[in-house]
Amino acid sequence: EAGVTQSPTHLIKTRGQQATLRCSPISGHTSVYWYQQALGLGLQFLLWYDEGEERNRGNFPPRFSGRQFPNYSSELNVNALELEDSALYLCASSLDWGTDTQYFGPGTRLTVL
Amino acid sequence: SQQGEEDPQALSIQEGENATMNCSYKTSINNLQWYRQNSGRGLVHLILIRSNEREKHSGRLRVTLDTSKKSSSLLITASRAADTASYFCATDAGGSEKLVFGKGTKLTVNP
Repeated sequence: EAGVTQSPTHLIKTRGQQATLRCSPISGHTSVYWYQQALGLGLQFLLWYDEGEERNRGNFPPRFSGRQFPNYSSELNVNALELEDSALYLCASSLDWGTDTQYFGPGTRLTVL
Repeated sequence: SQQGEEDPQALSIQEGENATMNCSYKTSINNLQWYRQNSGRGLVHLILIRSNEREKHSGRLRVTLDTSKKSSSLLITASRAADTASYFCATDAGGSEKLVFGKGTKLTVNP
């Protein structure tokens, strides 16, 4: 069974641009989560999607947004990029929300110059 | 405040030795999970322990949970160089869908 996949592996953008990151969950998983791992800040919860709806978001500005498609894959968009958005963005999926284990993808490393 | 604070921040041991990492948290949880991350790559799920469990084993891994002390420990026995990674504990204290991670313990196993 394929794990969570993310694309691209690396992304280089300049300040003010927009970045789009993609995630495909494990087959059968309906919940998708996004986390940011920035240097010195640790792993921070960004967004949770379930059944196509945004269910919860972390303490991030509105320029971080996303969506979940009918096939449960997800996209994270970051608008008006700032230097401090440089980080590893990790996507995770779970069979169901609640007490279920979240399985993580390999991440997308975003560098903002 | 940050949940899931790991201790120590860094640990260096020789191959064959045991490695123990600790995690403390502040509020009630339903479960606690341990993850491994190799050099800035994705997280690999190691083990989940529920609040009504005290100990769990998986291969060379042993996890304990003490809800009265709000702490957990991860023991890796007979460590190998391939165990070199950062280890994170994560709790569901932020809400069952939102894992709250600590800053991790960086483990180095020297051959």
